[in-house]
Amino acid sequence: NAGVTQTPKFQVLKTGQSMTLQCAQDMNHNSMYWYRQDPGMGLRLIYYSASEGTTDKGEVPNGYNVSRLNKREFSLRLESAAPSQTSVYFCASSEILNTEAFFGQGTRLTVV
Amino acid sequence: AQSVTQLGSHVSVSEGALVLLRCNYSSSVPPYLFWYVQYPNQGLQLLLKYTSAATLVKGINGFEAEFKKSETSFHLTKPSAHMSDAAEYFCAVRGSGGSNYKLTFGKGTLLTVNP
Repeated sequence: NAGVTQTPKFQVLKTGQSMTLQCAQDMNHNSMYWYRQDPGMGLRLIYYSASEGTTDKGEVPNGYNVSRLNKREFSLRLESAAPSQTSVYFCASSEILNTEAFFGQGTRLTVV
Repeated sequence: AQSVTQLGSHVSVSEGALVLLRCNYSSSVPPYLFWYVQYPNQGLQLLLKYTSAATLVKGINGFEAEFKKSETSFHLTKPSAHMSDAAEYFCAVRGSGGSNYKLTFGKGTLLTVNP
């Protein structure tokens, strides 16, 4: 039972490069989320998808785009990476609104 | 909008001592409250959740939390700390309707357990 799977686990980018973080869940959840975690800041919501076909901005969306490809998959794209985007990124999913979220293992991204 | 404040970014206890991690929330609607634990280099794992049923909530690994509306608090406790409890703990709040359903996290409390 994989739960929430994120790829890659580690990535180093040069400033200005682009990349897509992949996330897939096998729990048939409706809602999916992308968070970033920075020391002393807790987790901050970047984007979320309440259900298939919808996406909305969270607390810190600038510099990111998302795609809810289907019910299982929710990707996060950095079009032009900046050092300020160095962080650990977590994908999460929940069955419906107001239920607990299940998290992936994270992607550690460094932008140099 | 809802928010969470975790008092103390770092708590240190001795093995066998009481663990108390503090969380206060702000929410304009009845909240759903959660505690998550994060072990080094891992994702977040749910410890327990409050969803308007019993105010004393029991979770995994011997942790429990009590919802106190009058104090807007949801503190996490464990009677006797174990070395394996060393981790970072996050309190989170979610509203119960409309656009309030987003999960908002506190900044975390790092728990160290001394032998």
